[in-house]
Amino acid sequence: GAGVSQSPSNKVTEKGKDVELRCDPISGHTALYWYRQSLGQGLEFLIYFQGNSAPDKSGLPSDRFSAERTGGSVSTLTIQRTQQEDSAVYLCASSLTGTGEETQYFGPGTRLLVL
Amino acid sequence: GENVEQHPSTLSVQEGDSAVIKCTYSDSASNYFPWYKQELGKGPQLIIDIRSNVGEKKDQRIAVTLNKTAKHFSLHITETQPEDSAVYFCAASADSGGGADGLTFGKGTHLIIQP
Repeated sequence: GAGVSQSPSNKVTEKGKDVELRCDPISGHTALYWYRQSLGQGLEFLIYFQGNSAPDKSGLPSDRFSAERTGGSVSTLTIQRTQQEDSAVYLCASSLTGTGEETQYFGPGTRLLVL
Repeated sequence: GENVEQHPSTLSVQEGDSAVIKCTYSDSASNYFPWYKQELGKGPQLIIDIRSNVGEKKDQRIAVTLNKTAKHFSLHITETQPEDSAVYFCAASADSGGGADGLTFGKGTHLIIQP
């Protein structure tokens, strides 16, 4: 079946605007993860969903970041009042049940540029 | 939390030679160690993984070794080919938290295969 998909693939926005990034996990995967990849910082874990629940939101960089998941499938990551330091590639991954030893399958990412 | 160190940051080898990338981790509870390959403009793709009950795993030209006592693991690529050129990431995860802590990644190694 199809892999993890993300949209948009690229997003350019102005500082102060809100952006919404979307992730469609592999069908049947209950666990979903968001990561941020920026130059010099590598891949940084942001948040994890088991079904529609996110047990721990402490990995989100600031209160301008929020994420939700509905129907146990699609997830959106919202960044409010974007700042230039938010420029990065935002990656989504999914796994079957969410145990720590499971393979996580990544999407192609959304490249966000804040001007 | 977990901390993963990866080196070298850049590795250039002649086509046909072997490449070795090394990682160390800090959390003795970690028991799952995947390696991802990321090509330009794409998301990370799993190439091999190892779990703590195994010391070595091989898949064709790729092998991973794990030393839990020393808390380090390595990726070995033999008979390198031009298509092996990419950025490689090691990661670690502890099952005790389920997927809730996500994967902790190293900062990546840019592997360059010289023709």
